[in-house]
Amino acid sequence: QLQLQESGPGLVKPSETLSLTCTVSGGSISSSSHYWGWIRQPPGKGLEWIGSIYYSGSAYYNPSLKSRVTISVDTSKNQFSLKLSSVTAADTAVYYCARVTGGVAGAFDYWGQGTLVTVSS
Amino acid sequence: DIQMTQSPSTLSAFVGDRVTITCRASQSISSWLAWYQQKPGKAPKLLIYKASSLESGVPSRFSGSGSGTEFTLTISSLQPDDFATYYCQQYNSYPGTFGQGTKLEIK
Repeated sequence: QLQLQESGPGLVKPSETLSLTCTVSGGSISSSSHYWGWIRQPPGKGLEWIGSIYYSGSAYYNPSLKSRVTISVDTSKNQFSLKLSSVTAADTAVYYCARVTGGVAGAFDYWGQGTLVTVSS
Repeated sequence: DIQMTQSPSTLSAFVGDRVTITCRASQSISSWLAWYQQKPGKAPKLLIYKASSLESGVPSRFSGSGSGTEFTLTISSLQPDDFATYYCQQYNSYPGTFGQGTKLEIK
């Protein structure tokens, strides 16, 4: 059974960089059929698509975040990562990693449990 | 970006009721639409993909329909476990935008 697990600091200071890693187990991140994505959800609000990456390293980002976001993949560790720079309180959210099916902006069929990241000094 | 609008925002219903949630896209997305169920403190769960395909393991009381710009999620007979928030998501083009959610409450 495929499992995804987010890891990283739960507290980030304003103007710093948020860094999260998603570890995939029970399957290979090098699957030719899937992308791997990040989604976030501010407390009490809806879902926002951040971006997705293919195992080859091709990445696609939400234009609203593009200047601050980098998604990378490490196939040797079966992991992919998110970096979001210059964070503000508006970036406080639960961050989810997920497997993408049906193309670069596809449906998310397997999700991590999510990790709350708070931006505060 | 393609905008997704769900209605209603909140829906109250009894166990056993048939309920329908609507999702409208700001432009045609063909059948590239997914539906998710989210319970408090949990990750969303994929229910329907490609507008009407039932994800493996999802009860058959859930069904999806539509194409182009208008889509519906129907639950044929509500069960206690179905009270949750539901989101649609278009994946015709990136970013894969979500609807604002529909909270299904027990009456």
